[in-house]
Amino acid sequence: LAKTTQPISMDSYEGQEVNITCSHNNIATNDYITWYQQFPSQGPRFIIQGYKTKVTNEVASLFIPADRKSSTLSLPRVSLSDTAVYYCLSGLEQAGTALIFGKGTTLSVSS
Amino acid sequence: NAGVMQNPRHLVRRRGQEARLRCSPMKGHSHVYWYRQLPEEGLKFMVYLQKENIIDESGMPKERFSAEFPKEGPSILRIQQVVRGDSAAYFCASSLGTGTGELFFGEGSRLTVL
Repeated sequence: LAKTTQPISMDSYEGQEVNITCSHNNIATNDYITWYQQFPSQGPRFIIQGYKTKVTNEVASLFIPADRKSSTLSLPRVSLSDTAVYYCLSGLEQAGTALIFGKGTTLSVSS
Repeated sequence: NAGVMQNPRHLVRRRGQEARLRCSPMKGHSHVYWYRQLPEEGLKFMVYLQKENIIDESGMPKERFSAEFPKEGPSILRIQQVVRGDSAAYFCASSLGTGTGELFFGEGSRLTVL
């Protein structure tokens, strides 16, 4: 079973900021939070990863509160090309641990 | 550095035939994961392998499905006696296995069973 819960879908318009929240109430001490993006007919690709507080890269920001029971992926000024499925994972990619994906959040961006 | 390579990208089989899907991980990666994705659904974990070892196959059906990752050559996911319900996209991912949390995915192999 996936260890995370996220909304099934979200709608937005071009230029808006989109925040997708993920719950991971049973996150383990050593687990990281990782987000992937998947376009239709393509494999998922890594977006961002964090352990606590805030992480920012050229694509997105990831906010993780102190209790680490949830996290928020923030996409600034989305465009039509950001329409995709976004997966939140908690876990640690290492020997003996399989990373389990949930159903993800389908983000639809309209003009 | 080439990414994860999967082949074939598309495969058509008739019911009862065998399907073999191949995955070459990124250079230097010794961990391989296979996932299955049905239309309009999320990724379902199937099996996790390291070189010559199956680490976790809890997501793989007990019958007709098998996976290997030999010392030399690609990882292979084998589906025997395919049925229509096996029609799906099968994604392979590889990683260093050092705890970075980042999986690198291939473009997938789309199996259609007639």
